[in-house]
Amino acid sequence: AQKVTQAQTEISVVEKEDVTLDCVYETRDTTYYLFWYKQPPSGELVFLIRRNSFDEQNEISGRYSWNFQKSTSSFNFTITASQVVDSAVYFCALSEVTSGTYKYIFGTGTRLKVLA
Amino acid sequence: NAGVTQTPKFRILKIGQSMTLQCTQDMNHNYMYWYRQDPGMGLKLIYYSVGAGITDKGEVPNGYNVSRSTTEDFPLRLELAAPSQTSVYFCASSYMRAEETQYFGPGTRLLVL
Repeated sequence: AQKVTQAQTEISVVEKEDVTLDCVYETRDTTYYLFWYKQPPSGELVFLIRRNSFDEQNEISGRYSWNFQKSTSSFNFTITASQVVDSAVYFCALSEVTSGTYKYIFGTGTRLKVLA
Repeated sequence: NAGVTQTPKFRILKIGQSMTLQCTQDMNHNYMYWYRQDPGMGLKLIYYSVGAGITDKGEVPNGYNVSRSTTEDFPLRLELAAPSQTSVYFCASSYMRAEETQYFGPGTRLLVL
C-alpha cells in the first residue's frame, strides 16, 4: 500500500541552524512523483518541489535542498541557515496512478519552529 | 489570475444541516480536488475530478458529494453535517495529469456543532 511517513512531528531550531526534514515513502509503482509543500501559520499550502521517480538528482534552490534516494525510499528536505520565516508545517506527498486509479497521499507533516 | 478561490472562509453548521463549499479556478486546469485536513494531520483526498462531468472518489468520500459541470467550478456538498466533518477543507487544481503540481485554495474552516 502507498504510504508517506514523516516521523518528525515537530522540530525546533535556533535561527541560522541547518535542519533536515525526513520523508520516507512506500509504493509498488515504478512511476511516481514526490512533492514537498509548506503550510505557514496563515494556513495556505505552498508548493516547494516536485520530483519524479526517474530523476534522482539532488536539487538546490537557494537555502533549500532536496535529497532523493530510491534505495532508501526517502526524499529529505534540508533548510540551510534557517530563518524565522521558515517556521511552518512541511508536508511530503506521493502521487501515482495505479490501474487508472489516481492516488495522492500526504504525510502527517513536520512542524518546524525557528527561534530567533 | 486569482488562482484557486474558495468560499466561505469559515462556517459554523449545526448537526444535520447541509451546505456547499464553493471552489473556482481560473487557470483552465482540468484536474480538481477536494481535501480535508484534520487538526495536526495531513491532507486526505475526498473527491477529485479529471474534467467537466467526470468525478471520482478519493480516500474519504463518505458524507460528501461533488459535481463538475464546468471546468472552473468544483463544489463540495455536505448533506447531513456531522461533528466528524469538522475540519479545514482545501480545494486544489492541476493542469493535466495527476502527477503535476497542485495549486491550493486558501481553505474553508468548517465547525459542526
